[in-house]
Amino acid sequence: NAGVTQTPKFQVLKTGQSMTLQCAQDMNHEYMSWYRQDPGMGLRLIHYSVGAGITDQGEVPNGYNVSRSTTEDFPLRLLSAAPSQTSVYFCASSATGNTEAFFGQGTRLTVV
Amino acid sequence: ELKVEQNPLFLSMQEGKNYTIYCNYSTTSDRLYWYRQDPGKSLESLFVLLSNGAVKQEGRLMASLDTKARLSTLHITAAVHDLSATYFCAVGRSNYKLTFGKGTLLTVNP
Repeated sequence: NAGVTQTPKFQVLKTGQSMTLQCAQDMNHEYMSWYRQDPGMGLRLIHYSVGAGITDQGEVPNGYNVSRSTTEDFPLRLLSAAPSQTSVYFCASSATGNTEAFFGQGTRLTVV
Repeated sequence: ELKVEQNPLFLSMQEGKNYTIYCNYSTTSDRLYWYRQDPGKSLESLFVLLSNGAVKQEGRLMASLDTKARLSTLHITAAVHDLSATYFCAVGRSNYKLTFGKGTLLTVNP
């Protein structure tokens, strides 16, 4: 019963490098979202998806790309990492209806 | 633009005391969530509130929702050390597009 799995848990990048944060869920949820958490800021929505092949921008999308080719996976790509992208990233999944969102364990990213 | 404001942001309590965390939001929304986060951990769902007047209780925590006032409260009864954590409220018209408050860091002291 894995739920929402994020990899890696920790990552250090150099400015300008690119990488992909992985998110997978095994609950057959239609919806998936990416948030970033910065100290004193709460969580802010980066991108979300309402189904395979459908994605949209959230509050802070700049510098990030997403795609959703399957129901299970929703990777987040950093195109050219910047120090301002140092943060903890959380992936969430949820089902239709009045249900909660389930969060992964997070990826702590440091850009130097 | 939906804004969510929590207060207080920091709360230091003594064990056995009662206190309330407030969550105000700026525009009509269909649902309100309360989450708990321990240091370095993920978010744990506490309550989902869907209608005006909704009240839910779990152990020493009770959450309520007043949609007319755009206000939710998280009431802590007879606090214990294990309740020390950061508590977030989140609001949205859908469960995949949530706006979070900044969180309330609760410390319960013996």
